[in-house]
Amino acid sequence: NAGVTQTPKFQVLKTGQSMTLQCAQDMNHEYMSWYRQDPGMGLRLIHYSVGAGITDQGEVPNGYNVSRSTTEDFPLRLLSAAPSQTSVYFCASSNLGQGSNQPQHFGDGTRLSIL
Amino acid sequence: TQLLEQSPQFLSIQEGENLTVYCNSSSVFSSLQWYRQEPGEGPVLLVTVVTGGEVKKLKRLTFQFGDARKDSSLHITAAQPGDTGLYLCAGSRSGGSNYKLTFGKGTLLTVNP
Repeated sequence: NAGVTQTPKFQVLKTGQSMTLQCAQDMNHEYMSWYRQDPGMGLRLIHYSVGAGITDQGEVPNGYNVSRSTTEDFPLRLLSAAPSQTSVYFCASSNLGQGSNQPQHFGDGTRLSIL
Repeated sequence: TQLLEQSPQFLSIQEGENLTVYCNSSSVFSSLQWYRQEPGEGPVLLVTVVTGGEVKKLKRLTFQFGDARKDSSLHITAAQPGDTGLYLCAGSRSGGSNYKLTFGKGTLLTVNP
C-alpha cells in the first residue's frame, strides 16, 4: 500500500532558488495538508486543502504556494528559498467524513536544506 | 501561542520502567490524537480520544482524555526499547475547521536496554 508518497526525500537548494515538493496519496482522501517540523517547534501547518480546487493558509504560509488540481496530488512550491525554510516537510491526508476523528496519514517527509 | 503544551520535552529511562507524558491546554478540544514518530519517518496515529474522561488502552499504553477535554496523558507500563520515539499530541477544535490539527512540540522518549 503506497499511502502518502513524498518526493524528493532530500534536497539542497541555494538561497533564491525555487522548487516544488511533491505529495501524492492513493486513498481518495479529501483533506490534504503540509506541515514543517523544526527542532523544538513541533509540526506547524503551512497550507491545507479540503478538495480539488480548494486551498487555504495554515499557521506559517509565507513563502509557500500550493495548488490542488486533483484529489490525489498536493504540491508545495517554494517561490524563492531562504535559509529560514530549512526544515523537514511532511504531507498528510485524511478523510473529512466524521470531521475531527479522522486519522492523519503522513508521508515520510522531505528534508530540505537551504544554503 | 502554543495551544498544546507537552511535558516533559525529553525523557530517558531504563527498560521496564513506567512513565507518563502529559499534553495540556487552556482550550477545549473536540478530540485529541496521539502519534508516535520514529527517526526518518512521518508520525503514525496511536489513538484518538473524543469523550471527556475517556480511557483507551493499546497493549502497554494507556491514554486518558481529561474530563474538561483540555488535557490528555499517555502512560506506558514496563517500557521497552521499541517504545523509543517522539510522541506527539494533536488537538482538533470544534467548529467549521475541525479537520485542522494543532500539534504539541512532542516528547522525545528514549528507552535504554
